[in-house]
Amino acid sequence: DIVMAQSPDSLVVSLGERATINCKSSQSLFYDSYNKKYLAWYQQKPGQPPKLLISWASTRESGVPDRFSGSGSGTNFTLTISSLQAEDVAIYYCQQYHSPPLTFGGGTKVEIK
Amino acid sequence: EVQLLESGGGLVQPGGSLRLSCVASGFTFSSYALSWVRQAPGKGPEWVSGISGTGGNTHYADSVKGRFTISRDNSKNTLYLQMDSLRVEDTALYYCAKDRLAARPYFMDVWGNGTTVTVSS
Repeated sequence: DIVMAQSPDSLVVSLGERATINCKSSQSLFYDSYNKKYLAWYQQKPGQPPKLLISWASTRESGVPDRFSGSGSGTNFTLTISSLQAEDVAIYYCQQYHSPPLTFGGGTKVEIK
Repeated sequence: EVQLLESGGGLVQPGGSLRLSCVASGFTFSSYALSWVRQAPGKGPEWVSGISGTGGNTHYADSVKGRFTISRDNSKNTLYLQMDSLRVEDTALYYCAKDRLAARPYFMDVWGNGTTVTVSS
């Protein structure tokens, strides 16, 4: 199974500042045949199910603010919130879908300073 | 509006069984894979099982393989999870989630609100 490791576990950032979350996979999530990276990012707020933010490592879902961006290749990926807003307080998870079983990272809790 | 509504959770003793259901609406049910994802209190999500749009292709997490069975009835727009030989560590909120694609589980773009399973003596 592919193991996903996120860092840091928690992040405290001032309003308007940048937040960067890292995700590392135990094997490459890149499929040569399709030229795609099989990684998604989710946001989860208390009492709610996870919400899909980004798929294919960098494709934002419709309606997701453009302050959220994803990048990375191979085994190292990043979710960046360019200017943190109060409503971005949440736990963020990466998830690989290169090979079942699907696996999630342990999560990064983002809070406001 | 795309909706997923889970049911069937409850309190069960270790070794017991439960069957979860998820009724879907607002999309062409058979065109998408579906998954069950669980989340224990205070923990991150754990993918449990997924099934292709036709139902012919199923996948399981190692932690439930041989104990849980996923299935779907495309005529009823319903997804199921038969859970046997339940363990205390299966206690969690179980979400039904719709995939973006059909062939197998990939990433989940719509989630239900979950049904709670508690395994305890």
